[in-house]
Amino acid sequence: GQNIDQPTEMTATEGAIVQINCTYQTSGFNGLFWYQQHAGEAPTFLSYNVLDGLEEKGRFSSFLSRSKGYSYLLLKELQMKDSASYLCAVRDSQTGGFKTIFGAGTRLFVKA
Amino acid sequence: DTAVSQTPKYLVTQMGNDKSIKCEQNLGHDTMYWYKQDSKKFLKIMFSYNNKELIINETVPNRFSPKSPDKAHLNLHINSLELGDSAVYFCASSQDPGVGNTEAFFGQGTRLTVV
Repeated sequence: GQNIDQPTEMTATEGAIVQINCTYQTSGFNGLFWYQQHAGEAPTFLSYNVLDGLEEKGRFSSFLSRSKGYSYLLLKELQMKDSASYLCAVRDSQTGGFKTIFGAGTRLFVKA
Repeated sequence: DTAVSQTPKYLVTQMGNDKSIKCEQNLGHDTMYWYKQDSKKFLKIMFSYNNKELIINETVPNRFSPKSPDKAHLNLHINSLELGDSAVYFCASSQDPGVGNTEAFFGQGTRLTVV
């Protein structure tokens, strides 16, 4: 089966660090994406992992462990504008990569 | 310049009607998608097209008929609308997803409300 799990909601304080976890089970793996989606807007790309390890991009980092079916998104120096939903998505290799499965998203609330 | 644009942004219509949503991308991508995001914010793929050819049809009712007149356009026509079709529909495009980081670029969404 295909399944992606991530927490429904998280709350963190401005300036802090937050880690959003994602676990997945898919029939084939061809990369993991993180997207950010502000309320009423379209998802926008944050990061991509296909090999195990950490990818860093400014205040955002993403980690992948393929053997564990696990990823996390790390947000540092949180800002109020980081309040949004964060979507974990896995590209399925069995469909030639033409199918990307999204998790339900984690709503992050950043408080002052 | 908007990379992926879809129209209309809002659509309110009665049950049983037929409606269309248009999507265009100016990124030169070969692959385009339709996603449905329901009230619980769950983003689910409906269709994937590559070079105007249907690749993925994710068990969508045949009331939904996508059409790709060229690589830059992927329109969605919905017949006999039902209450359960109410959702936000996102069009997206990407490079060929076979290899590497082929992030999807999303349109601004069409909020469809069926009354």
